[in-house]
Amino acid sequence: KAGVTQTPRYLIKTRGQQVTLSCSPISGHRSVSWYQQTPGQGLQFLFEYFSETQRNKGNFPGRFSGRQFSNSRSEMNVSTLELGDSALYLCASSLVGTSGGAEAFFGQGTRLTVV
Amino acid sequence: AQTVTQSQPEMSVQEAETVTLSCTYDTSESDYYLFWYKQPPSRQMILVIRQEAYKQQNATENRFSVNFQKAAKSFSLKISDSQLGDAAMYFCALLQGGSEKLVFGKGTKLTVNP
Repeated sequence: KAGVTQTPRYLIKTRGQQVTLSCSPISGHRSVSWYQQTPGQGLQFLFEYFSETQRNKGNFPGRFSGRQFSNSRSEMNVSTLELGDSALYLCASSLVGTSGGAEAFFGQGTRLTVV
Repeated sequence: AQTVTQSQPEMSVQEAETVTLSCTYDTSESDYYLFWYKQPPSRQMILVIRQEAYKQQNATENRFSVNFQKAAKSFSLKISDSQLGDAAMYFCALLQGGSEKLVFGKGTKLTVNP
């Protein structure tokens, strides 16, 4: 069974640009969550999608958005990039969500560098 | 608000020895779950062990076990017979029941010396 796949693995963008990151969950998983990991702030929850609907959202500005497709694949978009958006973006999938304590399976992340 | 604190930024252990990583948390809820995740250099977060708050018995997974002290809001991870492959960042995480949001500590970097 394939794991969570995130593409691309590395990305370099210029300030002011926008970027789209992709996450393919484990087959059969319908919940996808996104996290931002930085040395200063650690791991922070961005949002969670289930059946194409955003169920939860963290404390990030509106420049951060996401969506989920009918096949459960998810994308997150960051517009008007700032230097502080440089981070590792991790995606995690689970069958129907983790609210019952279920395991979240993580991808290897996308390393975004903003210059 | 929930918070998770890992007070040891770095720890080291000799191969085959035992090491304990500390974690304290704060939540006002009674329904929650606690996790330890491992992040090796490959960056992929891997679940090491989980604990349901309503269970008094400490979780165990092979060489990994936890000491869950609910009243003290403490959740430490013990790694026995440490192996070189255990070297990684370890994150303690809290999940409130009914929520999809994992709250992570800042992590502890574990070095295993041969």
